Amino acid sequence: DTAVSQTPKYLVTQMGNDKSIKCEQNLGHDTMYWYKQDSKKFLKIMFSYNNKELIINETVPNRFSPKSPDKAHLNLHINSLELGDSAVYFCASSHKRAENTGELFFGEGSRLTVL
Amino acid sequence: GEDVEQSLFLSVREGDSSVINCTYTDSSSTYLYWYKQEPGAGLQLLTYIFSNMDMKQDQRLTVLLNKKDKHLSLRIADTQTGDSAIYFCAESRRDDKIIFGKGTRLHILP
Repeated sequence: DTAVSQTPKYLVTQMGNDKSIKCEQNLGHDTMYWYKQDSKKFLKIMFSYNNKELIINETVPNRFSPKSPDKAHLNLHINSLELGDSAVYFCASSHKRAENTGELFFGEGSRLTVL
Repeated sequence: GEDVEQSLFLSVREGDSSVINCTYTDSSSTYLYWYKQEPGAGLQLLTYIFSNMDMKQDQRLTVLLNKKDKHLSLRIADTQTGDSAIYFCAESRRDDKIIFGKGTRLHILP
């Protein structure tokens, strides 16, 4: 059973299109994240939701809009795709409690290629 | 600085020890982590250390923490070909963000 699953795994699209990536976790965690990993493998946090509320919103263009319909899901919608959006997008989840280590559980990533 | 810093590449002979170093930024970080990323996969937690510890050992892995210098290291004893991966240092900051370094690509020489 996959703990954090993302779809699609690969996405190839033209500049200017709108696309979505979905993420689901079955770990019962209350916090979910989106990270972007560029071609040099640098990993940057984009968003974090705790119990469906946005708690971290880094300096990300407003073409990127996360949506969390419930605690187990966090989707990422991207409007007007640009070449620079090409990257691997990772979803992650964790459980925020004082006694927890805050370990992040990652999905396998969604590789987005914008042509 | 604002970034978690680590060197980008490390080459080690099979059987030798690998030492990956990292400097972090937030002196109040509660936990510091080492994550491993194999090709085509997501990151997986390798080990972590609580900020009130200065050393943690887990089989072939040894983590050393120097809070004064904000320096974290990961030593892998008896490095094997299966250890070839990218290793990310990460800190959990007081604003609840977990911030990653740029990753160290470990290459194993035969």
